[in-house]
Amino acid sequence: DAMVIQNPRYQVTQFGKPVTLSCSQTLNHNVMYWYQQKSSQAPKLLFHYYDKDFNNEADTPDNFQSRRPNTSFCFLDIRSPGLGDAAMYLCATSRSDRGSYNEQFFGPGTRLTVL
Amino acid sequence: RKEVEQDPGPFNVPEGATVAFNCTYSNSASQSFFWYRQDCRKEPKLLMSVYSSGNEDGRFTAQLNRASQYISLLIRDSKLSDSATYLCVAHLYGNKLVFGAGTILRVKS
Repeated sequence: DAMVIQNPRYQVTQFGKPVTLSCSQTLNHNVMYWYQQKSSQAPKLLFHYYDKDFNNEADTPDNFQSRRPNTSFCFLDIRSPGLGDAAMYLCATSRSDRGSYNEQFFGPGTRLTVL
Repeated sequence: RKEVEQDPGPFNVPEGATVAFNCTYSNSASQSFFWYRQDCRKEPKLLMSVYSSGNEDGRFTAQLNRASQYISLLIRDSKLSDSATYLCVAHLYGNKLVFGAGTILRVKS
């Protein structure tokens, strides 16, 4: 089945120790997103790739970086995790043409714990 | 003011009840709207899209009032399996969605 896959599902890291979360998709969608969701809060968009074009949200801290080496994969790098970065990180994809919008499909998320 | 606001609930209802959630949005340029369902510690999943005045799918009805800038979701004949958080989502422009914080529904037997 076509899907959005996130690895790992649970990640524990130490304060300040870099961590990378991965997302892959078999939907062949051209747009990939990373969201941060804290408990009882709305998912917050960090950035997205439209094809190879990177689009950063204005309030996303520099501590968060992303890479998209090809259509199928997208990575979220947290350079120096702080306690406040503990959250669920959701990857989503959509097929989008300029001027139209289609449904976003979410992966199962990676729950990050910072010790 | 948040771009998308929802009553966080929780709404506690018995099986078979009808329940309605409201959501307001601040940007009148919002083009379309969605209701997503999110189970505890799981990812959001699309429940309904709302492009014009409303949409109906079985027990679920969504309505859009552009003049008052609110969207509603009505669930009829509630099931235990409807227990979840319901996220109201606005599509502003391009590929960006803005999520509300969600309304918690608990259906009890």
